[in-house]
Amino acid sequence: GENVEQHPSTLSVQEGDSAVIKCTYSDSASNYFPWYKQELGKGPQLIIDIRSNVGEKKDQRIAVTLNKTAKHFSLHITETQPEDSAVYFCAASKETSGSRLTFGEGTQLTVNP
Amino acid sequence: NAGVMQNPRHLVRRRGQEARLRCSPMKGHSHVYWYRQLPEEGLKFMVYLQKENIIDESGMPKERFSAEFPKEGPSILRIQQVVRGDSAAYFCASSPIQGAEEQYFGPGTRLTVT
Repeated sequence: GENVEQHPSTLSVQEGDSAVIKCTYSDSASNYFPWYKQELGKGPQLIIDIRSNVGEKKDQRIAVTLNKTAKHFSLHITETQPEDSAVYFCAASKETSGSRLTFGEGTQLTVNP
Repeated sequence: NAGVMQNPRHLVRRRGQEARLRCSPMKGHSHVYWYRQLPEEGLKFMVYLQKENIIDESGMPKERFSAEFPKEGPSILRIQQVVRGDSAAYFCASSPIQGAEEQYFGPGTRLTVT
């Protein structure tokens, strides 16, 4: 089955700096890659996603890139703010599996003021 | 439009008791997924349901766990004879149509087995 690896497990940046989180996946048939933000005691919140027919997607300060050949995708957060501090999860799915998500292990992002 | 609702938010059970976790999907959503999150870990898929049908239960433990999504009412995840290893956060997600892929998560139920 699908395996998703996520790095780094923890990331600390200064406010205003950029943060990059990387994920790799194993199943070349995966075609949907969402990113979730999870704050303490809350459920995961979908923040951005990308499908395999595009290589990059941007929404204000966040962007995601996808390299299908290398089977990796990345989350980029620019101009980080303290409220960006949370655990971020990448995930992968394919339509033939009923769209169930396989998650990475998460990255604890801390933005220091 | 209300989001995915889960209750209870916190549930404490003694070993051997039953736990029932409820999930009401977003309005207009007919697909429900359950995931389990152990402390300091990512979410693991358990089961995918549509109304009155279990589509994929490959992530469910073979014993003690069951799920349903009746024609009327919320989806239920049931854990019989709970053990300490069942302590975790259980999240429900919903999506509107098959293949839409976007899944929206509820706040979770945090189960503690004492």
